[in-house]
Amino acid sequence: DSGVTQTPKHLITATGQRVTLRCSPRSGDLSVYWYQQSLDQGLQFLIQYYNGEERAKGNILERFSAQQFPDLHSELNLSSLELGDSALYFCASSGSDEKLFFGSGTQLSVL
Amino acid sequence: GQNIDQPTEMTATEGAIVQINCTYQTSGFNGLFWYQQHAGEAPTFLSYNVLDGLEEKGRFSSFLSRSKGYSYLLLKELQMKDSASYLCAVRDPDGQNFVFGPGTRLSVLP
Repeated sequence: DSGVTQTPKHLITATGQRVTLRCSPRSGDLSVYWYQQSLDQGLQFLIQYYNGEERAKGNILERFSAQQFPDLHSELNLSSLELGDSALYFCASSGSDEKLFFGSGTQLSVL
Repeated sequence: GQNIDQPTEMTATEGAIVQINCTYQTSGFNGLFWYQQHAGEAPTFLSYNVLDGLEEKGRFSSFLSRSKGYSYLLLKELQMKDSASYLCAVRDPDGQNFVFGPGTRLSVLP
């Protein structure tokens, strides 16, 4: 168990809809990262937050947004969903030990 | 920018040794990480190198040469459960981001 909690584990929705993925980092970790992994693809970095502030941005679509709350949990919002958004979405956190620890992921299926 | 390269697939026999290479070209460097990922599961941390040399941890070892932009992961006494993807990742110099390579899918055959 990595200590990073992601919900939900599975999400099935239709094109055009909006969903919210939730992540709680390991206790004490201030950084939260979001990654997207499509079938047989590598991990694509989306966005990073540190102690509530956006710190780095990757190839995140304008339809996607994220935030980190004062209790350090984070949410990734995906809107106007398209078939191509179907993927595994991972949240990860890191702290003073310099390592990245991943949640179990949310499998998003857009039908 | 950052570019990380790994072989796409490798096959090895149970009980053997396999070396998975990773080359990187980055604008800066703040550590190299190896992760294991079984299909449909989350990546799990294997090793971390920030200085040149070999880090050994049980059956797994990782090597780094910063001057050559090169790392490898060495897996000894391969077991069937080692069949997975192995991801090389570089942390940028600002420590803000982990950039992952495409991963190497390892198949261990009996």
